[in-house]
Amino acid sequence: DGGITQSPKYLFRKEGQNVTLSCEQNLNHDAMYWYRQDPGQGLRLIYYSQIVNDFQKGDIAEGYSVSREKKESFPLTVTSAQKNPTAFYLCASIEMGRGRTEAFFGQGTRLTVV
Amino acid sequence: GQQVMQIPQYQHVQEGEDFTTYCNSSTTLSNIQWYKQRPGGHPVFLIQLVKSGEVKKQKRLTFQFGEAKKNSSLHITATQTTDVGTYFCAATSSGSARQLTFGSGTQLTVLP
Repeated sequence: DGGITQSPKYLFRKEGQNVTLSCEQNLNHDAMYWYRQDPGQGLRLIYYSQIVNDFQKGDIAEGYSVSREKKESFPLTVTSAQKNPTAFYLCASIEMGRGRTEAFFGQGTRLTVV
Repeated sequence: GQQVMQIPQYQHVQEGEDFTTYCNSSTTLSNIQWYKQRPGGHPVFLIQLVKSGEVKKQKRLTFQFGEAKKNSSLHITATQTTDVGTYFCAATSSGSARQLTFGSGTQLTVLP
């Protein structure tokens, strides 16, 4: 069953802690993206990666870090430097080619700082 | 990064009424995609538009891409309660580092 898997679905973090959100895909897509969504708002791009061992900052990268050691995996770390981390985080892998662009999203991770 | 403006932010309609959401960019877009996010869910791809002036239909949904490829619209005819959700447009930047940027979304409420 192909798709994007994000885990965990819900995550609680104490202030000052780093947490890592998992994102795995078996769609063989080169491009993977992380977005943040706040209640009633749109999707803001955090980081994206076009290929293994390479990634670029999006519009709101401060306080976040990523790695792309494998094609299938693109974990996101929310560091203690992120001042307002409570949000819904969405990972996507994107099929780009043959003139087609389509993003496939995971189910998301709801992060709450307690 | 690339900016895609989307209006309105919210829309409440009576079931059976029509609904339209609009996206605008200051730059020419290579293509535009539309996504739907149900409450509590994740965005799901609806369609991609590529050609200038393109119009595509999916049952009661009509998608248009402007002649200048700087704007797009999604129109739903005779809304149903199943249409409830947030509709996003999205566009990729040109060049080797492709940034997929989403509009702010239009949250549609359909009143029975």
